[in-house]
Amino acid sequence: AQKVTQAQTEISVVEKEDVTLDCVYETRDTTYYLFWYKQPPSGELVFLIRRNSFDEQNEISGRYSWNFQKSTSSFNFTITASQVVDSAVYFCALSEARQGAQKLVFGQGTRLTINP
Amino acid sequence: DADVTQTPRNRITKTGKRIMLECSQTKGHDRMYWYRQDPGLGLQLIYYSFDVKDINKGEISDGYSVSRQAQAKFSLSLESAIPNQTALYFCATSDPGQGAGYTFGSGTRLTVV
Repeated sequence: AQKVTQAQTEISVVEKEDVTLDCVYETRDTTYYLFWYKQPPSGELVFLIRRNSFDEQNEISGRYSWNFQKSTSSFNFTITASQVVDSAVYFCALSEARQGAQKLVFGQGTRLTINP
Repeated sequence: DADVTQTPRNRITKTGKRIMLECSQTKGHDRMYWYRQDPGLGLQLIYYSFDVKDINKGEISDGYSVSRQAQAKFSLSLESAIPNQTALYFCATSDPGQGAGYTFGSGTRLTVV
């Protein structure tokens, strides 16, 4: 069975610190996709990034960066120079493509609090 | 208008009542999903639908039913609501390509008292 583990339930840092959110996944599929979503206090889910299993290049988008390592089945997310607006719950998810429908399997989420 | 619209946004209902949560989309996607979010548990899949004639149970379908009235509409019903169904419910759509991301609705916060 596919599984996503976000071991950090809550993280609290002071503004401008760098912070890394961990994500470890399990799958027997050779082709899969990994996602990160942000859920701000308002509750909606905001798509951040998608990465397929054949592309291990790290990605940087502004203050956000993602490190995908198949050898350790990890897809970690780093926020550089954190800001109060980064406070949210962050979810890592794995795309399961069996039965023709891609179902997203979510981790438990990490609640990130950035203190001023 | 939002791509995926959920109604109501918030609802308080009594134990034993039947309640329907509605979802409509303008994405033109065939695939629609209902997820439930509980604190500390992430999102769990309740039901999903490939198209109007194809509906499938997810991980936690007990106590729920769904109806796909049209390509654009996918409703979730709680036949007899119970307090542990208090949660945040999300509808989502996706296109058929593997790895296609989801488009989520804004969520329905349901409280069963």
